[in-house]
Amino acid sequence: DTAVSQTPKYLVTQMGNDKSIKCEQNLGHDTMYWYKQDSKKFLKIMFSYNNKELIINETVPNRFSPKSPDKAHLNLHINSLELGDSAVYFCASSQDSMTMGAFFGQGTRLTVV
Amino acid sequence: EDQVTQSPEALRLQEGESSSLNCSYTVSGLRGLFWYRQDPGKGPEFLFTLYSAGEEKEKERLKATLTKKESFLHITAPKPEDSATYLCAVRGGTSYGKLTFGQGTILTVHP
Repeated sequence: DTAVSQTPKYLVTQMGNDKSIKCEQNLGHDTMYWYKQDSKKFLKIMFSYNNKELIINETVPNRFSPKSPDKAHLNLHINSLELGDSAVYFCASSQDSMTMGAFFGQGTRLTVV
Repeated sequence: EDQVTQSPEALRLQEGESSSLNCSYTVSGLRGLFWYRQDPGKGPEFLFTLYSAGEEKEKERLKATLTKKESFLHITAPKPEDSATYLCAVRGGTSYGKLTFGQGTILTVHP
């Protein structure tokens, strides 16, 4: 069973389009995250939700909007896509937001052309 | 602001040649230092959590250690399947759970 699953794995789209990435975890964790990995493999947090409540919102353009319908799901919607949005986006979850490590999904490679 | 710096950026070893990766950090109230392994096209895979200076964790050929300013990931007699990017991350006391990552060390083990 996949612990943290993201869909789609690959996403190629044109500039200006709107797209969504979905994430689900079956670990029963309370906290979920979105991270962005750039071309240099540097991972940086974007958002974090704890029990459906937004607790971290880093300096991310407001074209990016996370939504957590329940604590097992955290989706990422991106409006008006730009070339610079091309990256790998990782969803992750953890049991205790303050002490445990996070478990990551396999990533969504977004390419904006 | 929490910061993590990993060195070297890339490391090439012969099979059986032991070495260490370094992770230097600054954090306000360390709530955990984490090591991950990432294979190409995959998400980071959790390896270890260290919480306090002097702590050590081991898993197969890997051993992680922690001081107040840095962590080392020691690789003993590596095999080609240990080739991957190794990521270090910290969680601070005021970070609300977020992990701050270093840029990673790309390890290549030649047979």
